[in-house]
Amino acid sequence: SQTIHQWPATLVQPVGSPLSLECTVEGTSNPNLYWYRQAAGRGLQLLFYSVGIGQISSEVPQNLSASRPQDRQFILSSKKLLLSDSGFYLCAWRTVTSGRLTDTQYFGPGTRLTVL
Amino acid sequence: AQTVTQSQPEMSVQEAETVTLSCTYDTSESDYYLFWYKQPPSRQMILVIRQEAYKQQNATENRFSVNFQKAAKSFSLKISDSQLGDAAMYFCAYGAQGGSEKLVFGKGTKLTVNP
Repeated sequence: SQTIHQWPATLVQPVGSPLSLECTVEGTSNPNLYWYRQAAGRGLQLLFYSVGIGQISSEVPQNLSASRPQDRQFILSSKKLLLSDSGFYLCAWRTVTSGRLTDTQYFGPGTRLTVL
Repeated sequence: AQTVTQSQPEMSVQEAETVTLSCTYDTSESDYYLFWYKQPPSRQMILVIRQEAYKQQNATENRFSVNFQKAAKSFSLKISDSQLGDAAMYFCAYGAQGGSEKLVFGKGTKLTVNP
């Protein structure tokens, strides 16, 4: 069965510091991968998605970036964090079955980021 | 652009009773998917139920069922025999058919289950 991991679970960082959040998926190959952010009291906002190694699409311009160095690894980064980057970050995956992209996205446990 | 609206920020229900959460959406597409996700205090998003727009039959998953009205662009979630473990934020989401498009989420409904 497929599982998705995110770490760290919780992170407190000062303004201006760098960021690296990691997401890995097990039990599937060539998934589509997604980074979402959930601000307090709000729904989820898509930040980046990737359809393959090295392929990144950005939905919202900001000081965050994403990379996909391996098929099942997705990394969210920042060189300098802002206060507004605080939130809950969720990674999600979607897979291809019988050559067809499935419709459902499955989410990881998330990372709570607080920028002080 | 597609939008999803959940007009009930909070709802409450007595244990063992039935509750319905509302969701409306806006799209010009004819083929798409709709989802309800549950986010408990742990904050992990858990898929509750999904509906394919081309299917007229309403989806059901045990105590969870939907009322999908395509013409009205309405997609409500009914929870029967509510349990304390059902307490959570519930998010309605829209997904376009095919491709790698994002899910568009509503702002959520906080469900409280009273013993």
